[in-house]
Amino acid sequence: DADVTQTPRNRITKTGKRIMLECSQTKGHDRMYWYRQDPGLGLRLIYYSFDVKDINKGEISDGYSVSRQAQAKFSLSLESAIPNQTALYFCATRGGDGPQHFGDGTRLSIL
Amino acid sequence: KNQVEQSPQSLIILEGKNCTLQCNYTVSPFSNLRWYKQDTGRGPVSLTIMTFSENTKSNGRYTATLDADTKQSSLHITASQLSDSASYICVVSASTGGFKTIFGAGTRLFVKA
Repeated sequence: DADVTQTPRNRITKTGKRIMLECSQTKGHDRMYWYRQDPGLGLRLIYYSFDVKDINKGEISDGYSVSRQAQAKFSLSLESAIPNQTALYFCATRGGDGPQHFGDGTRLSIL
Repeated sequence: KNQVEQSPQSLIILEGKNCTLQCNYTVSPFSNLRWYKQDTGRGPVSLTIMTFSENTKSNGRYTATLDADTKQSSLHITASQLSDSASYICVVSASTGGFKTIFGAGTRLFVKA
């Protein structure tokens, strides 16, 4: 089983809909992150959390919200999806000074 | 402005050949630099990490170099294999309060038989 699991893997939806992307991890890491990846650009940080009670905005948090339901779960919500939020979304975890461990992504298309 | 630039954007090589990917950065103050490999349809996976005092680090057929003075890093792949076909992402972190990690856009490598 994967250490970092993202659901769904693919999602197509319409403008204005509310969408939730979920991430769960079995690595026991406190730190969790949400990124988006667009063609020709590096991954950009949306939100990050260093523990259950700690939520921080990244560089592109507008239009997104997150919830850290437990150490192992970190969900990303788009309250009212718009087409320019079409992208590949990645969740990652990190323990101490180690590398980030990424899920396999959610491909989101907003029509 | 903190930036990470990678070159080339894409590269095609024949199986068995060597190649070198480049990363230039302006992230400051520098903490560490990592190279990740991202297979199609998968998340990135860490290959190496380099700190200020390190100038070479190997992981199997992958060798990363770092020149902190010129703010350049390279990833050299030896005796390429078809499974090396992937995107290679350079990631630089700053040693500053808060969280500051900048991802390059990646180099897309195609290894042909």
